[in-house]
Amino acid sequence: GQQVMQIPQYQHVQEGEDFTTYCNSSTTLSNIQWYKQRPGGHPVFLIQLVKSGEVKKQKRLTFQFGEAKKNSSLHITATQTTDVGTYFCAGRHQAGTALIFGKGTTLSVSS
Amino acid sequence: EAQVTQNPRYLITVTGKKLTVTCSQNMNHEYMSWYRQDPGLGLRQIYYSMNVEVTDKGDVPEGYKVSRKEKRNFPLILESPSPNQTSLYFCASIPGLAGGPASYNEQFFGPGTRLTVL
Repeated sequence: GQQVMQIPQYQHVQEGEDFTTYCNSSTTLSNIQWYKQRPGGHPVFLIQLVKSGEVKKQKRLTFQFGEAKKNSSLHITATQTTDVGTYFCAGRHQAGTALIFGKGTTLSVSS
Repeated sequence: EAQVTQNPRYLITVTGKKLTVTCSQNMNHEYMSWYRQDPGLGLRQIYYSMNVEVTDKGDVPEGYKVSRKEKRNFPLILESPSPNQTSLYFCASIPGLAGGPASYNEQFFGPGTRLTVL
């Protein structure tokens, strides 16, 4: 079936370093969403991107949707220990179809 | 408080013993969905429901059943659980068509049910 690939699977950084996770689809996505799951918790919605080339910011988090709507990235500037968790992207290949999740990137931060 | 609830939160059972995991949302959402989460595999959709009495298979429906008799409830049924169904299960809901195209709405996840089948 259709997949959304996400890399890296794991990333460890020192507090204050930047972090980026990438999602890629072989086919065009109608939209892409990002979720964060804290250890032991459930996924929590962060943001949705719909337009080609869209960039959105939430404080230290920057989300991008590629021009071709096939890839997306989440960049965290100056990570903090509160950023620890697994970040998932999730995309729809067509409006109204199932949301397909990437396998997630687990971020660990040492102080 | 707007939320998605699941019960039980933890369950240990034995192979072949039928079980039901309940899911309820109090937000009048049309769309509900079940996922399982396994290490290295991320979240995989089991079944989803666009509205009452409307259900459809996701990516991994084998061994599961669902029903949607009421808008707020979407139980997940394992008729004959097997050890490969040991997993963390999440129910989720989306406002759905009433709030605009379902495509463009965030999912609200329940707290999860950790199931172990021995």
